Amino acid sequence: EAGVTQSPTHLIKTRGQQATLRCSPISGHTSVYWYQQALGLGLQFLLWYDEGEERNRGNFPPRFSGRQFPNYSSELNVNALELEDSALYLCASSLQGRDEQFFGPGTRLTVL
Amino acid sequence: DQQVKQNSPSLSVQEGRISILNCDYTNSMFDYFLWYKKYPAEGPTFLISISSIKDKNEDGRFTVFLNKSAKHLSLHIVPSQPGDSAVYFCAASENYGQNFVFGPGTRLSVLP
Repeated sequence: EAGVTQSPTHLIKTRGQQATLRCSPISGHTSVYWYQQALGLGLQFLLWYDEGEERNRGNFPPRFSGRQFPNYSSELNVNALELEDSALYLCASSLQGRDEQFFGPGTRLTVL
Repeated sequence: DQQVKQNSPSLSVQEGRISILNCDYTNSMFDYFLWYKKYPAEGPTFLISISSIKDKNEDGRFTVFLNKSAKHLSLHIVPSQPGDSAVYFCAASENYGQNFVFGPGTRLSVLP
């Protein structure tokens, strides 16, 4: 069974640009979660989507946004990039109503 | 193929007793391990970490044990409290903190 996939693996942007990160959940999973793992910090919750709707978001500014498509894949968009946005962005998926989350390998975003 | 496994989806423990959560990994290059706790609809919270140069790390009620030869680590919570009821994720990385791989989680229920 294919796991959670994320693309791209690495992304390099400059300040002020926009970044788009993509996630495909495990087949049958309807919930997708996004996390930020900044260097030296713990995992920070960003967004939770289920059945195409945003269910919850963490303590991040509005320039972090996303969406979930009918096939349950998801995009994370970060506008007006800042240097401190450099981090590993993890996506996870789960069955609806289940807390067990399966994580993807992450996208490493570097903002120069 | 999951590189980090938590084979017990759930665990129930009586308040005041010890909770032991287990995690197995397959990649011998992993050298840094973390445990996260996650409440419903919230992001994971970092609990405790251990590097491969140690076999034990303690922080209050939480102790993590690492058995490198068995590729196994465990989290001990003593004494368990009802507020510990959550999903616990084990995570592992190579190069001390790069590209974490997470297990699917174990739901701990501490019964009063």
